[in-house]
Amino acid sequence: EDQVTQSPEALRLQEGESSSLNCSYTVSGLRGLFWYRQDPGKGPEFLFTLYSAGEEKEKERLKATLTKKESFLHITAPKPEDSATYLCAVRSGNTPLVFGKGTRLSVIA
Amino acid sequence: KAGVTQTPRYLIKTRGQQVTLSCSPISGHRSVSWYQQTPGQGLQFLFEYFSETQRNKGNFPGRFSGRQFSNSRSEMNVSTLELGDSALYLCASTQGSSSGGETQYFGPGTRLLVL
Repeated sequence: EDQVTQSPEALRLQEGESSSLNCSYTVSGLRGLFWYRQDPGKGPEFLFTLYSAGEEKEKERLKATLTKKESFLHITAPKPEDSATYLCAVRSGNTPLVFGKGTRLSVIA
Repeated sequence: KAGVTQTPRYLIKTRGQQVTLSCSPISGHRSVSWYQQTPGQGLQFLFEYFSETQRNKGNFPGRFSGRQFSNSRSEMNVSTLELGDSALYLCASTQGSSSGGETQYFGPGTRLLVL
């Protein structure tokens, strides 16, 4: 059974204090690993898709990386508007997308 | 391109009632998936439709059902509502069959409150 574990559950950063969020996964045959950002009361907003170990993608202050067992979402010099819950999900074969519980990020000015 | 739309956005029902939620995918997308999100359980998969056929079903009771129409729009129905059905119901669409690594794009969700 596919499993996704995200850590930490919550993270509080000062504005400009860089950090990383972790997503550990167990799947048989990864077809894709997805990162989403979710603001309270809204639907998840797509950030990145990673397909193979060694792949990296960047968008503004965010950079996602992938290894065979985990993915990291690096946040460089975060701003208060980066505060949100970040969700990681994996897909293997024809099985549905499996989500982690998310990391709640708070960036304090 | 317009994103995924869901109606209604908010709904209040009482126990025992039934409810129908609607989802219109991104234009050209043929796959629609539904999820239930609660603070305790996170995002849990309900079902997935592609070209009007259910491809996958999550571990939810038979009170939860869905369908997809020829224009790819989808509905989900929950009968005999229980208090525990209070949640944010999310719909996501994918261009293809989504059995591979295609990205799912989410709608804003329908917030259901069961009293």
